[in-house]
Amino acid sequence: DTEVTQTPKHLVMGMTNKKSLKCEQHMGHRAMYWYKQKAKKPPELMFVYSYEKLSINESVPSRFSPECPNSSLLNLHLHALQPEDSALYLCASSQDRARTDTQYFGPGTRLTVL
Amino acid sequence: DAKTTQPTSMDCAEGRAANLPCNHSTISGNEYVYWYRQIHSQGPQYIIHGLKNNETNEMASLIITEDRKSSTLILPHATLRDTAVYYCIVRFLLIQGAQKLVFGQGTRLTINP
Repeated sequence: DTEVTQTPKHLVMGMTNKKSLKCEQHMGHRAMYWYKQKAKKPPELMFVYSYEKLSINESVPSRFSPECPNSSLLNLHLHALQPEDSALYLCASSQDRARTDTQYFGPGTRLTVL
Repeated sequence: DAKTTQPTSMDCAEGRAANLPCNHSTISGNEYVYWYRQIHSQGPQYIIHGLKNNETNEMASLIITEDRKSSTLILPHATLRDTAVYYCIVRFLLIQGAQKLVFGQGTRLTINP
């Protein structure tokens, strides 16, 4: 099973709302990632978790708050977002071995901020 | 971070081989070249990867030049379902055990009947 699941598929929220995106994998992977993808652009890395610890934050604004409660689950908490934060949010996971490692992506959550 | 350069778009006839080029002239010795594709806002799908040798799997072949400054992804018999955006990516490993993918701008490949 090489599946990464993400919920919800679509999310519409106002600028004062608080919401969360959820990502799950059951492949035993120890690294998990959040990416943001604007229309017609490549995915851009936001956060990396390795062994449930945050190892990379690519200068993401604090209105995005990641959380890794356990090795299978990754959340992205959203608060006070701006309309320009509307995008496809992708989650991915990978093993921690070097050579044969592959990053597997979920289908994404399409976020619209009104 | 090493960057990649790809043509913005390409066309290919169904049943023919699709050859997608990528330049990565600043790649370091321990950085892998990965290819993913993305079909209409789905999550990116892994295709193939390599370090310095040519690689082949059931989906595609990857040809890397000897100086590692460029590579070509080959889809041997393109079908309409291969229409997608193809990303050439340089991957490097983080000390913490994770990895970082640096995506290129992607090539929009259209397979024509």
